[in-house]
Amino acid sequence: DTGVSQDPRHKITKRGQNVTFRCDPISEHNRLYWYRQTLGQGPEFLTYFQNEAQLEKSRLLSDRFSAERPKGSFSTLEIQRTEQGDSAMYLCASSSRSGATEKLFFGSGTQLSVL
Amino acid sequence: DQQVKQNSPSLSVQEGRISILNCDYTNSMFDYFLWYKKYPAEGPTFLISISSIKDKNEDGRFTVFLNKSAKHLSLHIVPSQPGDSAVYFCAESSTLGRLYFGRGTQLTVWP
Repeated sequence: DTGVSQDPRHKITKRGQNVTFRCDPISEHNRLYWYRQTLGQGPEFLTYFQNEAQLEKSRLLSDRFSAERPKGSFSTLEIQRTEQGDSAMYLCASSSRSGATEKLFFGSGTQLSVL
Repeated sequence: DQQVKQNSPSLSVQEGRISILNCDYTNSMFDYFLWYKKYPAEGPTFLISISSIKDKNEDGRFTVFLNKSAKHLSLHIVPSQPGDSAVYFCAESSTLGRLYFGRGTQLTVWP
């Protein structure tokens, strides 16, 4: 009974470098979400997959950001040409709709620091 | 343009007493409201939810109240325990499962 797994837990990079994060959702969950959390704020929605289809993207997801979920299992989030403003906790969550409510299960996140 | 507002960044309560965390929202179109709890270095974990057609939902020590006319949501924890010390987020749920979170309230329960 494993939960949502994210790798790495921490990433320090220099401005301008590319970074990639991985998320492994709970195996039977077909929905996968990426959120971003900065200090003093709640998590903010970035994007959402149902199986392998990316169904919604926030305007926060600039063209430097790309997310994939090949085969509808794990997902990757890539940030190209990182900027200091990208420093945040990146959270992945998964769910399978149960009744009318959507309960998301979050991973522990990847803390990104851009120097 | 925050849709969910938690106006108290922190709350301190003595063990055994009631903790009341508050949340205001602006958009009445959402079907569900949820509370999440977050410990440091961990992701948020689901705590309790309430349908917009109800005004109260209870789960053990946790009760959520919804006042639709005031667009106000509150979470009551009775009795509070030191292990409840965490950041609490309220959130609205859209039909696609997208959640809109407030900024959170840091609850500290002291012995």
